[in-house]
Amino acid sequence: QVQLVQSGAEVKKPGASVKVSCKASGYMFTSYYMHWVRQAPGQGLEWLGMIIPSGGSTNYAQQFQGRVTVTRDTSTSIVYMELSRLQSEDTAVYYCAREWGGAQVYFDHWGQGTLVTVSS
Amino acid sequence: DIQMTQSPSSLSASVGDRVTITCRASQDISNFLNWYQQKPGKAPKVLIYDASNLETGVPSRFSGSGSGTHFTFTISSLQPEDIATYFCQQFHDLPYTFGQGTKLEIK
Repeated sequence: QVQLVQSGAEVKKPGASVKVSCKASGYMFTSYYMHWVRQAPGQGLEWLGMIIPSGGSTNYAQQFQGRVTVTRDTSTSIVYMELSRLQSEDTAVYYCAREWGGAQVYFDHWGQGTLVTVSS
Repeated sequence: DIQMTQSPSSLSASVGDRVTITCRASQDISNFLNWYQQKPGKAPKVLIYDASNLETGVPSRFSGSGSGTHFTFTISSLQPEDIATYFCQQFHDLPYTFGQGTKLEIK
C-alpha cells in the first residue's frame, strides 16, 4: 500500500534552516508528483511547492521563493523540503502529499506530518 | 494567486442535519476544485475531486457541486464521525490554494 513517512519533529532557532524528509513506498516513485503543504497551529493549509520526481523539476509558491528548496533522491524514494531563514511564523506542521496521477489533480496520500517549531 | 473564500468558518449542527459549506474562487476555475476533510491531529483526506466526483470509499452522504467561481459541499445527513474541518482547494493554477476551512461541530 502507498505510504509516505516523514521525518520527526524539529526545534530550530530563528535564522536557522530545517530539512524535512518524506519517504515514499508502495508505488513507482517517479510516476507521481509530490507536494509540500504546511499548517500553522489552528490555521489553514498553505501550499509551499512541488517536485516532479522523474526529472527533478520544481515549482514554489512565490512567497517562499528563495527560502524553500524541494529535492528528491530516486535511489531511496525520498523527497526533501528545506526551508531556510526560519522565523517564528514558520512554526507549523509540514506535510508531503502525493498528487494523484490521473487527469484530475488532487492529493490522494499524505505523510503523517512533521512539526517544526521555531523558537529562541 | 487565486483566492479561495470559504463560508462559514465554523458550523454547529445536529446529527441527521443537512450541512452545506460554500467556497468561492477569486476567478473562474471551471470545475478544478477539491474538498478535503481533516480530523484533529490527522492529515487531510480527499472527499470530492473535480467539484463533484466522490473519491472511492467515501460515503455517499457527501457531495459537491458548482463550477466557475461558486461551489458547494453538502453532507446530506450529518453523522457523529463527520466532526472535522473541511477545506476546499483549487487546482486551476499553481499555487494550489486552499480555503481557510470550515470547522464542523455537533450541536
